[in-house]
Amino acid sequence: DVKVTQSSRYLVKRTGEKVFLECVQDMDHENMFWYRQDPGLGLRLIYFSYDVKMKEKGDIPEGYSVSREKKERFSLILESASTNQTSMYLCASRVTGVYTGELFFGEGSRLTVL
Amino acid sequence: GQQVMQIPQYQHVQEGEDFTTYCNSSTTLSNIQWYKQRPGGHPVFLIQLVKSGEVKKQKRLTFQFGEAKKNSSLHITATQTTDVGTYFCAGRENFGNEKLTFGTGTRLTIIP
Repeated sequence: DVKVTQSSRYLVKRTGEKVFLECVQDMDHENMFWYRQDPGLGLRLIYFSYDVKMKEKGDIPEGYSVSREKKERFSLILESASTNQTSMYLCASRVTGVYTGELFFGEGSRLTVL
Repeated sequence: GQQVMQIPQYQHVQEGEDFTTYCNSSTTLSNIQWYKQRPGGHPVFLIQLVKSGEVKKQKRLTFQFGEAKKNSSLHITATQTTDVGTYFCAGRENFGNEKLTFGTGTRLTIIP
């Protein structure tokens, strides 16, 4: 069965802390994505990766970085967390192709920055 | 950059009534997808539309892709309590771009 696993469902961090959000997929997908979801704003793309060690900025990359050292793992890093980064973070993966494959999402990581 | 808007943001309907959500892109799309997110859950893929003017049905759900490939709609006939959730469209701008831009979503609640 298809699975995207996010390491933490709930995190509480303090302003200025470094935060790592981990995502692992077991489907051998090339593409992986990090979105944040906020009420009324839908899902906004932070970063995506179309292959190992490859990354592209999404619509709101400021304050974030990513790492993709292995195909199955895509990490989102908040170098210095701020209160406006309190949000639900969703990781997703899909196969690449001419016609877009469906996105498979993880359960989400709800981050609160105090 | 590309923007994808959905209306309405919220919709409350009596069980058995119909429901429609509309999705509009600022740019022409190569294809569009629809997702459903149940309360407390994560988005789950429903369908993908690729061709101009395409119409697809899944039981009580009807999906349309506009002729100009800039808009789409999801219509649910005779809503049931299981239809509760937030519906998102997501569009891809062109074939060379892996980026998928999500709409703002429409949250559907059902009054039993």
